[in-house]
Amino acid sequence: EDQVTQSPEALRLQEGESSSLNCSYTVSGLRGLFWYRQDPGKGPEFLFTLYSAGEEKEKERLKATLTKKESFLHITAPKPEDSATYLCAVRALDSNYQLIWGAGTKLIIKP
Amino acid sequence: KAGVTQTPRYLIKTRGQQVTLSCSPISGHRSVSWYQQTPGQGLQFLFEYFSETQRNKGNFPGRFSGRQFSNSRSEMNVSTLELGDSALYLCASSFGSGVDEQYFGPGTRLTVT
Repeated sequence: EDQVTQSPEALRLQEGESSSLNCSYTVSGLRGLFWYRQDPGKGPEFLFTLYSAGEEKEKERLKATLTKKESFLHITAPKPEDSATYLCAVRALDSNYQLIWGAGTKLIIKP
Repeated sequence: KAGVTQTPRYLIKTRGQQVTLSCSPISGHRSVSWYQQTPGQGLQFLFEYFSETQRNKGNFPGRFSGRQFSNSRSEMNVSTLELGDSALYLCASSFGSGVDEQYFGPGTRLTVT
C-alpha cells in the first residue's frame, strides 16, 4: 500500500537554529513529491516539486532534497515567520493522479 | 494571474441541512480536487474532477458529492449535514497532467450546529 510518513510531528527551534524535516514514502513508483507550507486556517502554499533521486530545490531559507525512499526539507537559520505546518505529498505511478498526503510537521520558531 | 477562489469563506449551518461550496480554479487548469481538513487531522481527500469527469474519489459517504462545469469551476455538495462535517474544506486546482503541483484556495470554514 502506498504510504507517506512525516517526522517529527512537531519541532520547536530557536531562531537561527537550523534543522531538517523528514518525509519518507513507500510507493510502487514515484511520479513526483511535493512540499507545501500551511498557516493556521489557510490553504496550503506550494513550495517545491521533486521528481527523481538526487534532485534538490532551494527557496530562501528552505532546501528540499530527494532520495529513493525519503525527502528532507532543510531549514537554514529559520526566522519566526517560518513557523507553520509543512506538508509532504507523493503522486505514485499507479495512483491515477491522486496525491497521497503525509500528516505534516508543525514547526515553531521561537524568537 | 488570479489564484484559486472559494466561496463562501465562512458558513454556519444546522444539522440536517445541505450546503453547496464553490471553487473557481486558476485559469487554464482542468483538474479540481476537494479536501476536508479538521483539527488534528491531515488533509482528507474527497474527490477530483478533470474535464467534467470524476477521476478519483476518497472514502467519504454518499452525502458528499461534487461536479465540474465546462469552464472548470467546481461545486461540492454535502447533504444531511452532521456535526462531524464541521471542517475547513479546501479546493485545489492543477493542469491535471499527473506531474504538476496543485494550488490551493483559501478554504471554506463550515460550522454545523
